[in-house]
Amino acid sequence: QSVLTQPPSVSGAPGQRVTISCTGSSSNIGAGYDVHWYQQLPGTAPKLLIYGNSNRPSGVPDRFSGSKSGTSASLAITGLQAEDEADYYCQSYDSSLSGGVFGTGTKVTVL
Amino acid sequence: EVQLVQSGAEVKKPGESLRISCKGSGYSFTSYWISWVRQMPGKGLEWMGRIDPSDSYTNYSPSFQGHVTISADKSISTAYLQWSSLKASDTAMYYCARHVAVRAAAGYYDDYWGQGTLVTVSS
Repeated sequence: QSVLTQPPSVSGAPGQRVTISCTGSSSNIGAGYDVHWYQQLPGTAPKLLIYGNSNRPSGVPDRFSGSKSGTSASLAITGLQAEDEADYYCQSYDSSLSGGVFGTGTKVTVL
Repeated sequence: EVQLVQSGAEVKKPGESLRISCKGSGYSFTSYWISWVRQMPGKGLEWMGRIDPSDSYTNYSPSFQGHVTISADKSISTAYLQWSSLKASDTAMYYCARHVAVRAAAGYYDDYWGQGTLVTVSS
């Protein structure tokens, strides 16, 4: 069971900006643990997109950005492209579970 | 180049045992934890547990504790996920990933992922 809640889907036209929220609680995001984001293209393994709330690994376009505040975090995609159509997951650490937790996942559709 | 290469797809019957593997290369295998993640058909990612290959210390998600065993053989840079008695509900894709500490007390993330191992359990 996921303890991080994301919207099931978001959509936007090419070039637009979309945001995905990730809502947690006082035992994970609210406790100060960092949030990370992954992109999963159809039929492939997840890929690290953002780590440590707002850091991009080498090779990830700067169209992707992350932020965190309180018990929530957000992923923003600006200049939406057809290749961004994928599932996106947030992840954090939960002290009550003593382990990692993923968000429920969000499907991004490019109209 | 960091790589995690997982063993191939498996088809098993309920009640059978299984061990799948994840071989790391291109980095010091004992310097990073390995985590395992389940993805049931059409569903999201679920964190199962992790292992420190340097001393085989493990911790599991409560949802998976007692149902699976995570182990590692550091001499061959390989981590394992095993079941003693499979159920149909274990049908899923399983991923291993290199599990990295962000900084002290800030949690972990998974920077490199294996290609996944599809496990199908059916009578």
